[in-house]
Amino acid sequence: DQQVKQNSPSLSVQEGRISILNCDYTNSMFDYFLWYKKYPAEGPTFLISISSIKDKNEDGRFTVFLNKSAKHLSLHIVPSQPGDSAVYFCAAQSGGTYKYIFGTGTRLKVLA
Amino acid sequence: DGGITQSPKYLFRKEGQNVTLSCEQNLNHDAMYWYRQDPGQGLRLIYYSQIVNDFQKGDIAEGYSVSREKKESFPLTVTSAQKNPTAFYLCASSPQVMNTEAFFGQGTRLTVV
Repeated sequence: DQQVKQNSPSLSVQEGRISILNCDYTNSMFDYFLWYKKYPAEGPTFLISISSIKDKNEDGRFTVFLNKSAKHLSLHIVPSQPGDSAVYFCAAQSGGTYKYIFGTGTRLKVLA
Repeated sequence: DGGITQSPKYLFRKEGQNVTLSCEQNLNHDAMYWYRQDPGQGLRLIYYSQIVNDFQKGDIAEGYSVSREKKESFPLTVTSAQKNPTAFYLCASSPQVMNTEAFFGQGTRLTVV
Protein backbone atom coordinates (compact mmCIF):
# COMPACT_ATOMS: atom_id res chain seq x y z
CA ASP A 1 0.00 0.00 0.00
CA GLN A 2 1.88 3.03 -1.32
CA GLN A 3 0.82 6.02 0.75
CA VAL A 4 3.05 8.44 -1.18
CA LYS A 5 3.12 8.12 -4.94
CA GLN A 6 5.23 9.67 -7.65
CA ASN A 7 3.63 8.48 -10.84
CA SER A 8 6.24 9.83 -13.23
CA PRO A 9 9.42 7.76 -13.04
CA SER A 10 11.32 10.20 -15.25
CA LEU A 11 11.19 13.70 -16.65
CA SER A 12 13.37 15.53 -19.18
CA VAL A 13 13.48 19.31 -19.35
CA GLN A 14 15.50 21.79 -21.35
CA GLU A 15 17.94 23.96 -19.43
CA GLY A 16 16.38 27.25 -18.40
CA ARG A 17 12.83 25.92 -18.52
CA ILE A 18 10.59 24.96 -15.61
CA SER A 19 10.69 21.46 -14.10
CA ILE A 20 7.50 20.30 -12.37
CA LEU A 21 7.64 17.16 -10.27
CA ASN A 22 4.44 15.75 -8.84
CA CYS A 23 3.53 13.72 -5.79
CA ASP A 24 0.23 12.32 -4.52
CA TYR A 25 -0.59 10.96 -1.10
CA THR A 26 -3.45 9.00 0.37
CA ASN A 27 -3.13 9.47 4.13
CA SER A 28 -5.03 12.55 5.31
CA MET A 29 -3.07 12.44 8.58
CA PHE A 30 0.09 13.59 6.84
CA ASP A 31 0.83 17.15 7.89
CA TYR A 32 4.39 17.78 6.78
CA PHE A 33 5.84 17.21 3.35
CA LEU A 34 9.41 17.27 2.11
CA TRP A 35 11.37 17.03 -1.12
CA TYR A 36 14.79 15.41 -1.30
CA LYS A 37 17.33 15.26 -4.09
CA LYS A 38 19.48 12.18 -4.58
CA TYR A 39 22.49 11.37 -6.72
CA PRO A 40 23.47 7.74 -7.43
CA ALA A 41 25.26 5.95 -4.59
CA GLU A 42 24.76 8.91 -2.24
CA GLY A 43 22.34 9.74 0.52
CA PRO A 44 19.38 12.04 -0.20
CA THR A 45 19.80 15.72 0.62
CA PHE A 46 16.94 17.86 1.85
CA LEU A 47 15.63 20.48 -0.56
CA ILE A 48 12.46 22.10 0.70
CA SER A 49 9.46 21.33 2.86
CA ILE A 50 5.94 22.53 3.52
CA SER A 51 3.58 22.28 6.45
CA SER A 52 -0.04 21.39 5.86
CA ILE A 53 -1.12 24.80 7.12
CA LYS A 54 0.45 26.39 4.05
CA ASP A 55 -0.16 25.97 0.35
CA LYS A 56 3.14 27.31 -0.96
CA ASN A 57 6.73 27.55 0.16
CA GLU A 58 9.53 29.09 -1.85
CA ASP A 59 13.31 28.88 -1.54
CA GLY A 60 15.30 30.37 -4.36
CA ARG A 61 14.66 28.42 -7.55
CA PHE A 62 12.56 25.84 -5.70
CA THR A 63 8.87 26.19 -4.88
CA VAL A 64 6.64 23.56 -3.37
CA PHE A 65 2.86 23.74 -3.75
CA LEU A 66 0.41 21.80 -1.61
CA ASN A 67 -3.20 21.09 -2.54
CA LYS A 68 -4.69 19.37 0.49
CA SER A 69 -8.11 18.78 -1.01
CA ALA A 70 -6.51 16.90 -3.90
CA LYS A 71 -3.84 15.33 -1.67
CA HIS A 72 -1.27 16.53 -4.15
CA LEU A 73 2.00 18.39 -3.95
CA SER A 74 4.39 19.56 -6.59
CA LEU A 75 7.94 20.85 -6.78
CA HIS A 76 8.74 23.58 -9.29
CA ILE A 77 12.32 24.30 -10.29
CA VAL A 78 12.83 27.54 -12.21
CA PRO A 79 15.07 27.89 -14.11
CA SER A 80 16.24 24.32 -14.41
CA GLN A 81 19.98 23.75 -14.56
CA PRO A 82 22.01 20.70 -15.64
CA GLY A 83 23.18 20.28 -12.05
CA ASP A 84 19.56 19.67 -11.07
CA SER A 85 19.70 16.31 -12.84
CA ALA A 86 19.07 13.76 -10.09
CA VAL A 87 16.34 11.62 -8.58
CA TYR A 88 13.80 13.58 -6.55
CA PHE A 89 11.84 11.99 -3.72
CA CYS A 90 8.84 13.42 -1.99
CA ALA A 91 8.21 12.37 1.59
CA ALA A 92 5.47 12.84 4.16
CA GLN A 93 5.26 12.79 7.92
CA SER A 94 2.16 12.53 10.07
CA GLY A 95 1.58 14.27 13.35
CA GLY A 96 2.37 12.11 16.35
CA THR A 97 4.94 9.96 14.59
CA TYR A 98 8.40 10.85 13.50
CA LYS A 99 8.74 8.47 10.60
CA TYR A 100 9.01 9.70 7.04
CA ILE A 101 7.20 7.91 4.23
CA PHE A 102 8.85 8.28 0.85
CA GLY A 103 7.61 8.06 -2.71
CA THR A 104 9.26 6.02 -5.44
CA GLY A 105 11.17 8.96 -6.91
CA THR A 106 11.28 10.82 -10.22
CA ARG A 107 14.48 10.96 -12.24
CA LEU A 108 14.93 14.48 -13.62
CA LYS A 109 17.24 15.07 -16.54
CA VAL A 110 17.98 18.66 -17.47
CA LEU A 111 19.29 18.90 -21.00
CA ALA A 112 21.93 21.53 -21.80
CA ASP B 1 31.75 18.39 11.33
CA GLY B 2 28.33 17.15 12.40
CA GLY B 3 26.76 14.42 10.37
CA ILE B 4 25.83 10.81 9.90
CA THR B 5 28.44 8.20 9.09
CA GLN B 6 27.62 4.89 7.52
CA SER B 7 30.29 2.29 7.12
CA PRO B 8 31.44 0.60 5.05
CA LYS B 9 30.42 2.16 1.73
CA TYR B 10 30.44 -1.23 -0.02
CA LEU B 11 29.91 -4.61 1.64
CA PHE B 12 29.98 -8.10 0.21
CA ARG B 13 28.69 -11.16 2.01
CA LYS B 14 28.00 -14.75 1.20
CA GLU B 15 24.45 -15.97 1.22
CA GLY B 16 23.38 -17.28 4.60
CA GLN B 17 25.65 -14.99 6.62
CA ASN B 18 24.40 -12.27 8.92
CA VAL B 19 25.92 -8.84 8.39
CA THR B 20 25.76 -5.66 10.46
CA LEU B 21 25.71 -2.18 8.94
CA SER B 22 27.00 0.66 11.04
CA CYS B 23 25.34 4.06 11.49
CA GLU B 24 26.71 6.76 13.78
CA GLN B 25 25.53 10.35 14.18
CA ASN B 26 26.94 13.29 16.12
CA LEU B 27 23.99 15.62 15.54
CA ASN B 28 22.50 14.90 18.95
CA HIS B 29 19.33 13.67 17.25
CA ASP B 30 16.92 11.50 19.19
CA ALA B 31 15.31 9.76 16.21
CA MET B 32 17.11 7.44 13.80
CA TYR B 33 15.92 5.45 10.80
CA TRP B 34 16.95 2.73 8.39
CA TYR B 35 15.70 2.73 4.82
CA ARG B 36 16.32 0.44 1.93
CA GLN B 37 16.44 1.61 -1.70
CA ASP B 38 15.72 -0.71 -4.60
CA PRO B 39 15.32 0.36 -8.24
CA GLY B 40 11.80 1.64 -8.89
CA GLN B 41 10.70 1.23 -5.26
CA GLY B 42 11.91 4.38 -3.63
CA LEU B 43 12.97 4.41 -0.01
CA ARG B 44 11.24 1.89 2.19
CA LEU B 45 11.38 2.11 5.96
CA ILE B 46 12.92 -0.90 7.73
CA TYR B 47 13.11 0.23 11.37
CA TYR B 48 13.09 3.48 13.27
CA SER B 49 13.92 4.55 16.78
CA GLN B 50 12.61 7.63 18.54
CA ILE B 51 14.66 7.23 21.68
CA VAL B 52 17.45 5.12 23.17
CA ASN B 53 16.47 1.53 23.99
CA ASP B 54 13.29 1.76 21.93
CA PHE B 55 12.59 1.05 18.26
CA GLN B 56 9.66 0.20 16.01
CA LYS B 57 9.27 -1.87 12.88
CA GLY B 58 8.81 -0.08 9.61
CA ASP B 59 7.14 -1.43 6.49
CA ILE B 60 9.72 -4.11 5.62
CA ALA B 61 11.25 -5.24 8.94
CA GLU B 62 11.22 -8.97 8.24
CA GLY B 63 14.73 -10.40 8.12
CA TYR B 64 16.29 -7.38 9.85
CA SER B 65 17.13 -6.51 13.43
CA VAL B 66 18.35 -3.33 15.13
CA SER B 67 19.54 -2.09 18.49
CA ARG B 68 19.66 1.38 20.02
CA GLU B 69 21.90 1.18 23.07
CA LYS B 70 23.40 4.62 22.54
CA LYS B 71 21.89 7.82 21.20
CA GLU B 72 24.63 8.12 18.58
CA SER B 73 24.42 4.62 17.16
CA PHE B 74 21.75 2.58 15.37
CA PRO B 75 23.27 -0.56 13.80
CA LEU B 76 21.24 -2.69 11.41
CA THR B 77 21.74 -6.45 11.13
CA VAL B 78 20.69 -8.12 7.91
CA THR B 79 20.00 -11.72 8.83
CA SER B 80 19.97 -14.82 6.68
CA ALA B 81 16.17 -14.71 6.89
CA GLN B 82 16.08 -11.66 4.61
CA LYS B 83 15.24 -13.12 1.21
CA ASN B 84 16.58 -10.33 -0.99
CA PRO B 85 19.30 -8.56 1.00
CA THR B 86 21.19 -7.03 -1.91
CA ALA B 87 20.26 -3.34 -1.85
CA PHE B 88 21.40 0.18 -1.00
CA TYR B 89 20.85 0.88 2.70
CA LEU B 90 20.40 4.39 4.05
CA CYS B 91 20.50 5.56 7.63
CA ALA B 92 18.96 8.86 8.71
CA SER B 93 18.39 10.87 11.85
CA SER B 94 16.18 13.74 12.91
CA PRO B 95 15.49 15.82 16.00
CA GLN B 96 12.54 14.68 18.10
CA VAL B 97 10.59 17.70 16.90
CA MET B 98 7.76 17.76 14.41
CA ASN B 99 8.11 19.49 11.07
CA THR B 100 11.84 19.08 10.68
CA GLU B 101 13.80 17.27 8.06
CA ALA B 102 15.75 14.06 8.37
CA PHE B 103 19.45 13.98 7.56
CA PHE B 104 20.87 11.04 5.68
CA GLY B 105 24.17 9.23 5.64
CA GLN B 106 25.95 8.34 2.41
CA GLY B 107 24.59 4.81 2.33
CA THR B 108 25.98 1.28 2.28
CA ARG B 109 25.71 -0.88 -0.81
CA LEU B 110 25.30 -4.49 0.33
CA THR B 111 25.82 -7.26 -2.17
CA VAL B 112 25.09 -10.83 -1.19
CA VAL B 113 26.58 -13.49 -3.44
